[in-house]
Amino acid sequence: GENVEQHPSTLSVQEGDSAVIKCTYSDSASNYFPWYKQELGKGPQLIIDIRSNVGEKKDQRIAVTLNKTAKHFSLHITETQPEDSAVYFCAASRTNDMRFGAGTRLTVKP
Amino acid sequence: GAGVSQTPSNKVTEKGKYVELRCDPISGHTALYWYRQSLGQGPEFLIYFQGTGAADDSGLPNDRFFAVRPEGSVSTLKIQRTERGDSAVYLCASSYGKSTEAFFGQGTRLTVV
Repeated sequence: GENVEQHPSTLSVQEGDSAVIKCTYSDSASNYFPWYKQELGKGPQLIIDIRSNVGEKKDQRIAVTLNKTAKHFSLHITETQPEDSAVYFCAASRTNDMRFGAGTRLTVKP
Repeated sequence: GAGVSQTPSNKVTEKGKYVELRCDPISGHTALYWYRQSLGQGPEFLIYFQGTGAADDSGLPNDRFFAVRPEGSVSTLKIQRTERGDSAVYLCASSYGKSTEAFFGQGTRLTVV
């Protein structure tokens, strides 16, 4: 089955700096790659997603890149703000099930 | 409601007891997923429904776990003979179909004592 690895497990940046989180996946047939943000006591919330026919997608301060050949994808957050502090999860999906990475705890220091 | 609703939000049960966790998906969403999240970990896939049928139950850890969705809307996750290792947050998500945006509920925190 699909295996998703995520790095780093923790990331601390200064407000205004950029943050990058990277994931790799094992199943070359995976075709949908969402990123979720989870705040304490809440369920994961989708922040951006990308499909395998696209290499890059951007939404304001958030961007995701996908390299199908290398089977890795990354989340980029620019101009970070304290409210970006949360746990971020990547996921990969081929058919019915999304497999999640272990998460990255992002802390943005004011 | 506007989002995925899960009840109860918290459940404490004794080892060996039976529990039911409920999920009300977003109206019109045909796909429904159950995940389990342990502290400090990513959500772990349990089961996927498309309509009323369990299209993929490969993530259920053993036969103590069972889930139903009899009318293609509300789903119930059932755990028999609970064990302390079952303690986790159980998340439900729904979407219009596979590989589309999935919306998660707040989860049910299950504690087995």
